[in-house]
Parts: sequence; structure tokens; C-alpha cells
Amino acid sequence: LAKTTQPISMDSYEGQEVNITCSHNNIATNDYITWYQQFPSQGPRFIIQGYKTKVTNEVASLFIPADRKSSTLSLPRVSLSDTAVYYCLVGFSGGYNKLIFGAGTRLAVHP
Amino acid sequence: GAVVSQHPSRVICKSGTSVKIECRSLDFQATTMFWYRQFPKQSLMLMATSNEGSKATYEQGVEKDKFLINHASLTLSTLTVTSAHPEDSSFYICSARKGSVANTGELFFGEGSRLTVL
Repeated sequence: LAKTTQPISMDSYEGQEVNITCSHNNIATNDYITWYQQFPSQGPRFIIQGYKTKVTNEVASLFIPADRKSSTLSLPRVSLSDTAVYYCLVGFSGGYNKLIFGAGTRLAVHP
Repeated sequence: GAVVSQHPSRVICKSGTSVKIECRSLDFQATTMFWYRQFPKQSLMLMATSNEGSKATYEQGVEKDKFLINHASLTLSTLTVTSAHPEDSSFYICSARKGSVANTGELFFGEGSRLTVL
């Protein structure tokens, strides 16, 4: 299973765009890249998933370069409620395949 | 999105007793569920993969006789912490994937169950 590396922590201010980059040098051909958000004492919540290029949904964008060895989660105009831990996971997302969590990035959004 | 529910959300027990945590997929069938454990300020650690109708697959270092997993139906998996000790105190989280092997269904997580062993 591909190992992921993310910054341990990041700080931002309300209204700013936040970009969190994840390295996954050993990503396999079948692997997808998925980002989750976790608040204290809650289960992780799905944010976005992609395979290559760019994916955008109502809460975030995911940028994946051609070599797929890294990915960047972009959160536009963060608010205080975006303070959480963000996890980048890499793996084949088919039914039986497990996903391993890395250390995650602790994002703190300040007023 | 799909809903995965855990019960109880919090449990306090005495050392030596056993505790059962339930994980239910409320609006979809889950052939496979996953159990994670999370200590304070740490990431989620995968404990085991729960397969409906068969034995669970445990990760290296996880005692299968201590953490009993039963996946009796397509919507329910249970984790029983047997003879619990204070070091088993943790946040236990289950997850399930909606969809088939071939697609890229997202993983849905339960709310978590906080176990405190006195």
C-alpha cells in the first residue's frame, strides 16, 4: 500500500485559500487518491476523490499532476469551521480493499 | 450520502469486562466493513477487515482473541473488546464502502465509539 506524506500542521485565516499537498511516490496504477476531514471525536468525512488531473466539487478541488506522485487539496475561502485534521489516502477503492490512514494534516483556521 | 451508525457512542466499563460495539450501515448493504482505533492526537489505525459471513482479517499486531469481530449480516458488524484493560481505552471507528468491487465508492465512517476502561 502506498505511503503518504503530508505536512503535520498548517495555519490559515478566514477567507483564505488553503492548499494541502500530499506526497505518494509509490502510488500504483489502480490507486485512487481520497481526502477525508475529521473533527475531534467524530468519524472521518469524505471530501473528494480523484485519479488524475483535476476534480472539483462543492467543497474542494483536488489537483493531481501527470505522474500522480503527489496531490493537492484546495479549500477555497476557509472558515473557522474548517479547522480539522485532513487525511490523504491512496489505494484502490474497490469494495474489499482497505485504506490506510497516514498522519494527516492538522489545519487551524484563525479569525 | 450513505449513513453508517455506531452504538454506543460512549461506554465506560470496569477492567476485565467485555464491551460490544455495533456498526450498522443504515441505507446500504456492506459486504465489507473496517474497524479502526484512534488514540488521542493520533491517526486512525486499521485493526481489521470484517467480511460478511466469514472470519475477519486482522492487521499485524492486533489480537484476534481480544478484539472479536462478527459480521453476521450485510448491515451489521460488531466489535467485542474482551477482558478490557485501561490500555484498551480508545476511540473505535467503523467504516463501510457502498458499492461493488469494481467501482470507486467512497468509504463511509461511523460516528465513533469512545471506550474508557477504568
